[in-house]
Amino acid sequence: AQTIHQWPVAEIKAVGSPLSLGCTIKGKSSPNLYWYWQATGGTLQQLFYSITVGQVESVVQLNLSASRPKDDQFILSTEKLLLSHSGFYLCAWSRTGGRDTQYFGPGTRLLVL
Amino acid sequence: GDSVTQTEGQVTVSESKSLIINCTYSATSIGYPNLFWYVRYPGEGLQLLLKVITAGQKGSSRGFEATYNKEATSFHLQKASVQESDSAVYYCALSDKAGNTGKLIFGLGTTLQVQP
Repeated sequence: AQTIHQWPVAEIKAVGSPLSLGCTIKGKSSPNLYWYWQATGGTLQQLFYSITVGQVESVVQLNLSASRPKDDQFILSTEKLLLSHSGFYLCAWSRTGGRDTQYFGPGTRLLVL
Repeated sequence: GDSVTQTEGQVTVSESKSLIINCTYSATSIGYPNLFWYVRYPGEGLQLLLKVITAGQKGSSRGFEATYNKEATSFHLQKASVQESDSAVYYCALSDKAGNTGKLIFGLGTTLQVQP
């Protein structure tokens, strides 16, 4: 069975500080990977997707970046946090792209002060 | 662009009563979108509840049902008799375009509170 793990569970960070969120998928080779973000009171928005190692496409510009250093790992980061980065970050995977079902991790809650 | 609109805010239902959470969508692709209901139980991650990819078909899971109505562009979630354990946040979503983006468009979520 496939499992998806996100870290950390929650973070409180200062404006202007760096951030790194991680996601690991076990039990599935070459998954499509995605980052989503939900601001408080807002809807989930896709930020990035990746279909293979080393290749990441940006969907929404939020002064964030993503990388896929390994087949099973997806990293979301920024060098300088903004207040507007607060929210809930979800990693997801699917077997293929397009309209395939996506399976989500438990999420990371971020509060920027 | 594509969008999903669902029952806003919180819905409170007494245990054993029926439930409907409305969902309507707008999709710009030539084909028909795939439609999903996801659920997030307290303290847990987002889980797929049910999925329907063919217009006119009904999906069901854990006593919940949703029918893909392309004429009304709706995908309402229903349950005949809710339980306290159904208390959660429910999200309607669509997956529209083909290709690799795999972009899911979500509604704002509906919080279901079931009272014993």
